[in-house]
Amino acid sequence: DGGITQSPKYLFRKEGQNVTLSCEQNLNHDAMYWYRQDPGQGLRLIYYSQIVNDFQKGDIAEGYSVSREKKESFPLTVTSAQKNPTAFYLCASQRGSGWVNTEAFFGQGTRLTVV
Amino acid sequence: AQTVTQSQPEMSVQEAETVTLSCTYDTSESNYYLFWYKQPPSRQMILVIRQEAYKQQNATENRFSVNFQKAAKSFSLKISDSQLGDTAMYFCAFHYGGSQGNLIFGKGTKLSVKP
Repeated sequence: DGGITQSPKYLFRKEGQNVTLSCEQNLNHDAMYWYRQDPGQGLRLIYYSQIVNDFQKGDIAEGYSVSREKKESFPLTVTSAQKNPTAFYLCASQRGSGWVNTEAFFGQGTRLTVV
Repeated sequence: AQTVTQSQPEMSVQEAETVTLSCTYDTSESNYYLFWYKQPPSRQMILVIRQEAYKQQNATENRFSVNFQKAAKSFSLKISDSQLGDTAMYFCAFHYGGSQGNLIFGKGTKLSVKP
């Protein structure tokens, strides 16, 4: 079955450590997104990518980094520069910049906690 | 830059009644998509309904319908015959499909359906 998979579901990070959240899709989608969700804040865009080897900063990119070496994969690294990383992280994919069937599909999310 | 505003942080409705969730957006683009997503307690994002900006006819999906007012930049969601399973966060989202387009969400409305 086609879909989008995030791992792990729960992640614990010590202060000062970098951690990487995985996002893989087999939907052959061009566009992929990373969002952060905090209570009362909705979904805030961290990074997005429309094609392989290219990505754009969203509204809250500071302290995060991404790569898009393969169409299927869009990992997010939360660096030690991110001062308040405890949050729920959602990855999404979308067919692309065309005008047909642009529904976004979401992973099940990763809950990151700093300990 | 595009923005999406949901002015109702929380709403409640009695089972079997009708409720309307509000959403306004701001954009200078003429061609775009609008979506309503549902996020139940499981936190899995589920597409409820979508609207293409070039279509004047309001989208309908079973008990869910929208009132799309392009000139007013308004996109409200009406849920008829509310069911307990409709209890969730509802997010309005805007997508501009240009080469640098991204998917922007409002802060969400928490809907509680009461028996």
